[in-house]
Amino acid sequence: GENVEQHPSTLSVQEGDSAVIKCTYSDSASNYFPWYKQELGKRPQLIIDIRSNVGEKKDQRIAVTLNKTAKHFSLHITETQPEDSAVYFCAAERMDSNYQLIWGAGTKLIIKP
Amino acid sequence: GAVVSQHPSWVICKSGTSVKIECRSLDFQATTMFWYRQFPKQSLMLMATSNEGSKATYEQGVEKDKFLINHASLTLSTLTVTSAHPEDSSFYICSARDWGGNTDTQYFGPGTRLTVL
Repeated sequence: GENVEQHPSTLSVQEGDSAVIKCTYSDSASNYFPWYKQELGKRPQLIIDIRSNVGEKKDQRIAVTLNKTAKHFSLHITETQPEDSAVYFCAAERMDSNYQLIWGAGTKLIIKP
Repeated sequence: GAVVSQHPSWVICKSGTSVKIECRSLDFQATTMFWYRQFPKQSLMLMATSNEGSKATYEQGVEKDKFLINHASLTLSTLTVTSAHPEDSSFYICSARDWGGNTDTQYFGPGTRLTVL
């Protein structure tokens, strides 16, 4: 079955610098890869997603890249701000059953002022 | 984005009682909803997939008789934790799949924190 690995588990960056979080997936048939941001005690919020027919997608300071051959995708946050501090989860859509998402373990992003 | 509500946001109950949690899609119809459990500082653990008008599909290791799921309408799914015990204390989150046209996205409810005494 599908497996998603996410690295690093914790990432600390200086405010204004860039942050990159990476995920790899195992099922080459997966074709949808969302990223969610979860603040403490709150619901996961979709921040960006990408489908396998494109290699990159950008939304202001956030971008996602996808390498289908290597089966990995990355989240890039530029010009980080204190409000970017949260846990970020990547996911891959499981193709064999009901559009379930297989989740990465999460990355705690800490923005240092 | 689409809106998903969840009720109650928190509940405290005695061991042995049952607790019902509701998940509603407010501005779209959701034929598929998902129920997750999340432990502190951990990722989301899928418990079951709820499909409108049919039986839920449970993940391995999740007791279907303990976690009853009903998806009777296109906007409502319920999770009932039966005969709750302290080990069932957790953060339960639902999500609803919004699809159609160019959209196919899961939106999450705010979660329910269950504490079983």
